[in-house]
Amino acid sequence: RKEVEQDPGPFNVPEGATVAFNCTYSNSASQSFFWYRQDCRKEPKLLMSVYSSGNEDGRFTAQLNRASQYISLLIRDSKLSDSATYLCVVNILNAGKSTFGDGTTLTVKP
Amino acid sequence: DTGVSQDPRHKITKRGQNVTFRCDPISEHNRLYWYRQTLGQGPEFLTYFQNEAQLEKSRLLSDRFSAERPKGSFSTLEIQRTEQGDSAMYLCASSLRTGDFDEQFFGPGTRLTVL
Repeated sequence: RKEVEQDPGPFNVPEGATVAFNCTYSNSASQSFFWYRQDCRKEPKLLMSVYSSGNEDGRFTAQLNRASQYISLLIRDSKLSDSATYLCVVNILNAGKSTFGDGTTLTVKP
Repeated sequence: DTGVSQDPRHKITKRGQNVTFRCDPISEHNRLYWYRQTLGQGPEFLTYFQNEAQLEKSRLLSDRFSAERPKGSFSTLEIQRTEQGDSAMYLCASSLRTGDFDEQFFGPGTRLTVL
């Protein structure tokens, strides 16, 4: 079993739709969590950190459930420009290593 | 451009040859990471440095791989006796670790093809 697991998709949604991605992690010592976005043939870029209380950035909402060891990302009012692969990232406290999921691919269609 | 840079962007080599990649991080960043990414997979951790000290290496990193960051600035990743399975995108990232927060900024990657 991988340390960080994501549904690979692809998710194909129309513009304006709401879409949610989940990510599960296996190491209970995991301490910090992030969502990165990766466009085709480009490098990953930080989308948002995930805080215990949940956090929102415009159309994007991230949630953390430590008891069930999963993280979610909700995208509201999808735009064509949201089409990308979304990577879940988990760090263990005081460890340098970041563990990436394999990503969930989203395609938003007109 | 003050982001992370990598050189070369593409490298084609024959099996058995040695290759070396360079990464220049964002100047004030104290941490530097190397990852490998293949199609359909997320970045896979290889190693990281805090300043010039290499603090962790993945168990997946064979003895053919070595990385250095001699002055705590740029880093090199060398692969000796390349194999076809080494074909991948090699990504470098840097960060300025503050507390628990560690946003990593990635370079554009070096795409390695081993023939």
